[in-house]
Amino acid sequence: GENVEQHPSTLSVQEGDSAVIKCTYSDSASNYFPWYKQELGKRPQLIIDIRSNVGEKKDQRIAVTLNKTAKHFSLHITETQPEDSAVYFCAASGYQKVTFGTGTKLQVIP
Amino acid sequence: GAGVSQSPSNKVTEKGKDVELRCDPISGHTALYWYRQRLGQGLEFLIYFQGNSAPDKSGLPSDRFSAERTGESVSTLTIQRTQQEDSAVYLCASSSGLVFVDTQYFGPGTRLTVL
Repeated sequence: GENVEQHPSTLSVQEGDSAVIKCTYSDSASNYFPWYKQELGKRPQLIIDIRSNVGEKKDQRIAVTLNKTAKHFSLHITETQPEDSAVYFCAASGYQKVTFGTGTKLQVIP
Repeated sequence: GAGVSQSPSNKVTEKGKDVELRCDPISGHTALYWYRQRLGQGLEFLIYFQGNSAPDKSGLPSDRFSAERTGESVSTLTIQRTQQEDSAVYLCASSSGLVFVDTQYFGPGTRLTVL
């Protein structure tokens, strides 16, 4: 089955700096890669996603890159703000399957 | 339209009792997922329903766990003879993907505490 590894498990950055979270996956059939943000005590919410036919996608301060050959994808947050503090989960999805990473706790220090 | 809803939001039960958790997916979403999230941990896949196909039960941790879904509507997750290690938030998600998994929309979760 699919195996998704996510790093780092925790990340602290100063407000205004960039944050990068990386995930690797094992199943080359996976073709959809969403990122979810989960604030304390709340449900996970989709923040950005990318499909296998695209190498990069950007939405304001958030971007995701995908390297299908190497089977890894990354989340980039620029100009971080305190409200970006949360746990971020990556996922790899394919035929009737979705596998989540173990999460990254991001702390943005004002 | 309305998002995914779950009930109850909180459930406290005694060890050994059975509990039933409910999920109402977004209307028209054919796929429905149950996850377990222990405190400070990631999402643990439990079970997946897609339309009228047989569910993928590969994530259920033991035979005390079962789930049902009628068509493309409500799903219930039942935990029999609850144990303290069952304490967690149980999240339900739905998506519209017919074959390939698409964006999942999560419900608010049910926080289960087993005393």
